[in-house]
Amino acid sequence: AQTVTQSQPEMSVQEAETVTLSCTYDTSESDYYLFWYKQPPSRQMILVIRQEAYKQQNATENRFSVNFQKAAKSFSLKISDSQLGDAAMYFCAYRAETSGSRLTFGEGTQLTVNP
Amino acid sequence: DTGVSQNPRHKITKRGQNVTFRCDPISEHNRLYWYRQTLGQGPEFLTYFQNEAQLEKSRLLSDRFSAERPKGSFSTLEIQRTEQGDSAMYLCASSFRGASVYEQYFGPGTRLTVT
Repeated sequence: AQTVTQSQPEMSVQEAETVTLSCTYDTSESDYYLFWYKQPPSRQMILVIRQEAYKQQNATENRFSVNFQKAAKSFSLKISDSQLGDAAMYFCAYRAETSGSRLTFGEGTQLTVNP
Repeated sequence: DTGVSQNPRHKITKRGQNVTFRCDPISEHNRLYWYRQTLGQGPEFLTYFQNEAQLEKSRLLSDRFSAERPKGSFSTLEIQRTEQGDSAMYLCASSFRGASVYEQYFGPGTRLTVT
C-alpha cells in the first residue's frame, strides 16, 4: 500500500523569507503523480502544485516550487517570499496511475507566517 | 462555474440517527470523490464515482455508509445509525476526465458532530 509521510507537524517562517516543507512517500509503482494541497483555516482545500513522476524537471508555480527526488521518494515544497496568506495546513498527496483516482494524503504540516 | 458545493456545512446529530450529505460537483465533471478528514489528519479516501457508476470503495466505508450519484450529477452520502467515531469533516471533490492528471477540486466540506 502506498503511504505518504510528512514529518513536520508544524513549521513557521518570517514574512518574505523562504520555507521548505518535507514529504516522503512509499510506493512500488513507476507511474504516479504527486501534489501539494493547501487548506486554510475553515476554507476549502486548493491545489498548490503537482508533479508527474515521469518528468525529471521540478515543477514551479510562481513562488512555489518542488524538489522531486524520485530515487529517494522525496517531494518537498519550497515557498519563496512567504506571505501572510500562505499560512495554512499543507498536505502532500500521492496518486498512482493504476489506483483509479484515489489520493493518498500525508498528515499535514501547519505553516505559520510571522509578520 | 461556482465550484464544488456541499450541504449542509455543519450537522450535529445524536448517536443512532441517520444523516445525509449532498455534494454538487463542478458542472461537466464526470468524476466525484468522497473523503473523510478527522481533526489534525489528512483526508482519507472513501469512494468515487465516474458518472453514475461507483467504481471504488475504501474499506473505511462500512455497511452503515452508502453513497449514490443518480444520473451522474450530484451525489449523496448517507450514514446510518451514526456513532461518535463518525464525527469528522466529510469532503467532496470532483474532476474531469480530460486533464492528464485528473486534478481534483474540493468542496468546503460538511462537518459532522455526533453527540
